Amino acid sequence: NAGVTQTPKFRILKIGQSMTLQCAQDMNHNYMYWYRQDPGMGLKLIYYSVGAGITDKGEVPNGYNVSRSTTEDFPLRLELAAPSQTSVYFCASRTGQGTTGELFFGEGSRLTVL
Amino acid sequence: GQQLNQSPQSMFIQEGEDVSMNCTSSSIFNTWLWYKQDPGEGPVLLIALYKAGELTSNGRLTAQFGITRKDSFLNISASIPSDVGIYFCAGRETGANNLFFGTGTRLTVIP
Repeated sequence: NAGVTQTPKFRILKIGQSMTLQCAQDMNHNYMYWYRQDPGMGLKLIYYSVGAGITDKGEVPNGYNVSRSTTEDFPLRLELAAPSQTSVYFCASRTGQGTTGELFFGEGSRLTVL
Repeated sequence: GQQLNQSPQSMFIQEGEDVSMNCTSSSIFNTWLWYKQDPGEGPVLLIALYKAGELTSNGRLTAQFGITRKDSFLNISASIPSDVGIYFCAGRETGANNLFFGTGTRLTVIP
């Protein structure tokens, strides 16, 4: 049981380049999330999804796009990379059933935009 | 967005000492969670709280859901070197789909 898997773990981009951060979970969770973590800060929600075909903006969605074509996958796309998007990105998932609130996190993807 | 104030921002303690940290929100939560993050890793859940006044332990860790539903506390007893890391509180408002996170407490344990 791999849990939440993120790729790549590290990436350096030039300003204006685009890329996709991949996230996959094998726990059959309905809810998936993308957070970014800046140095010395907590996690800020970028986008989330409550099920396949459904996505919603979080606190800091500008400059990002997501899609949820399957329950397992929730990729995050950066179209025109900017230095302000240098951060560590975490994907997370949870069941969404009942009152359980536990998020399971991936190991993170460290992105640097130069 | 929702503001979670977590304190202290950092702590340096001697091995064996007890640790306390807390988190306050500007609105009422129905869920409080405490996570620990090791360097280069994602956060890992330590304790989940679902009822006001609830007190829950996980080994040497004890967390409480404040009765006002706007705060939560985490205590670590008899700290050990492997307790080093960043501790985050997180909370969810009733009916909300997402968690809001505190800014973290960085704990250093001196052997």
